[in-house]
Amino acid sequence: TQLLEQSPQFLSIQEGENLTVYCNSSSVFSSLQWYRQEPGEGPVLLVTVVTGGEVKKLKRLTFQFGDARKDSSLHITAAQPGDTGLYLCAGARNSGAGSYQLTFGKGTKLSVIP
Amino acid sequence: GAVVSQHPSWVICKSGTSVKIECRSLDFQATTMFWYRQFPKQSLMLMATSNEGSKATYEQGVEKDKFLINHASLTLSTLTVTSAHPEDSSFYICSASGRHLNYGYTFGSGTRLTVV
Repeated sequence: TQLLEQSPQFLSIQEGENLTVYCNSSSVFSSLQWYRQEPGEGPVLLVTVVTGGEVKKLKRLTFQFGDARKDSSLHITAAQPGDTGLYLCAGARNSGAGSYQLTFGKGTKLSVIP
Repeated sequence: GAVVSQHPSWVICKSGTSVKIECRSLDFQATTMFWYRQFPKQSLMLMATSNEGSKATYEQGVEKDKFLINHASLTLSTLTVTSAHPEDSSFYICSASGRHLNYGYTFGSGTRLTVV
């Protein structure tokens, strides 16, 4: 089983602060995805990183894939209350038939206090 | 964009009864569908992977006779929880992958199952 260790599990910060969420594994993944999930809803894809060392930016969110494709980070600058939610990382591995299977981290529950 | 419709959104059933959850890809062909279970304050745990027209592949520890998965067409997969018990109460989520999405994923909105 390929495990993804995600940290921190909980994070409560003031509006305007910066934060970083980490996702680490001892295994190599084909790609790594970050999702955001609201209570009672399915996860919504934020970004997919594929190449080792890749950095992607989505407004105030910066995603980085480690050079060895085993770890990733999500950095949020100037957090806002609207960023509150559960953030999940997921590593993809080939499951055959041209599709990939996802292994999820345990998630980071972020609360941004106004 | 790709949309996956999951129904019902929530269901309450009596212990011992069976419940069917549907997952439909509305605007693309889903060659593969995944079923996850998520307990409160926990992450998503993969239950099984199903490819259209073939038997589902279950993860270790998931009873295939209890969680029946059917993927008879490229747009529909169903998960049936048979003889449900209170410990089966959970949030069940499907996701679909297909060539249309360059084998990316789209998740359904989930089904909250409560067994009383």
